[in-house]
Amino acid sequence: GQQVMQIPQYQHVQEGEDFTTYCNSSTTLSNIQWYKQRPGGHPVFLIQLVKSGEVKKQKRLTFQFGEAKKNSSLHITATQTTDVGTYFCAGPDGGTSYGKLTFGQGTILTVHP
Amino acid sequence: EAGVAQSPRYKIIEKRQSVAFWCNPISGHATLYWYQQILGQGPKLLIQFQNNGVVDDSQLPKDRFSAERLKGVDSTLKIQPAKLEDSAVYLCASSLGTGDYEQYFGPGTRLTVT
Repeated sequence: GQQVMQIPQYQHVQEGEDFTTYCNSSTTLSNIQWYKQRPGGHPVFLIQLVKSGEVKKQKRLTFQFGEAKKNSSLHITATQTTDVGTYFCAGPDGGTSYGKLTFGQGTILTVHP
Repeated sequence: EAGVAQSPRYKIIEKRQSVAFWCNPISGHATLYWYQQILGQGPKLLIQFQNNGVVDDSQLPKDRFSAERLKGVDSTLKIQPAKLEDSAVYLCASSLGTGDYEQYFGPGTRLTVT
């Protein structure tokens, strides 16, 4: 079945440093979604990328979708303590018509003040 | 707009007991999902409903888990009998439809099986 892998599993940064997490799918994706889960919280939708090579920005967050639509990245510039949490990518299973999402295992971001 | 509601928020049971979780999705959302999230992992889809019909339950352990969505709104997920490995957070999510729609998650139910 489809597999979605994320690296790194953990990232510890000092406040103000940059952070990047990478997502790789075993299959070509029609789109990719990113979610953030704060400690003790639930996943919250951040963004969806659809086009090959697409780049989208949300303030200090930059999301990219690979040319082959099998990988994606999330880059945070100048991290803040409010960025703490686990970042998940999720891709739909292309073998289904109803977009069953497969989530990566997530990257846990810790920001030291 | 009210979010996805779930109850209870926490539940502790002994193995072999039964437990039920309830979910009320965002009004107007046709698709409802139940996920299992084990500590340190991403959410794993257990079952997906479109209105009151099941579109995917391939990862639902059907010998012990069951779910229903009566009238295409609220949903319940039941485990009977529970095993130690069922300890996890059970997340309910909803979306406007299937396919490329963002999912809105509820706060989850943290289940501990002792």
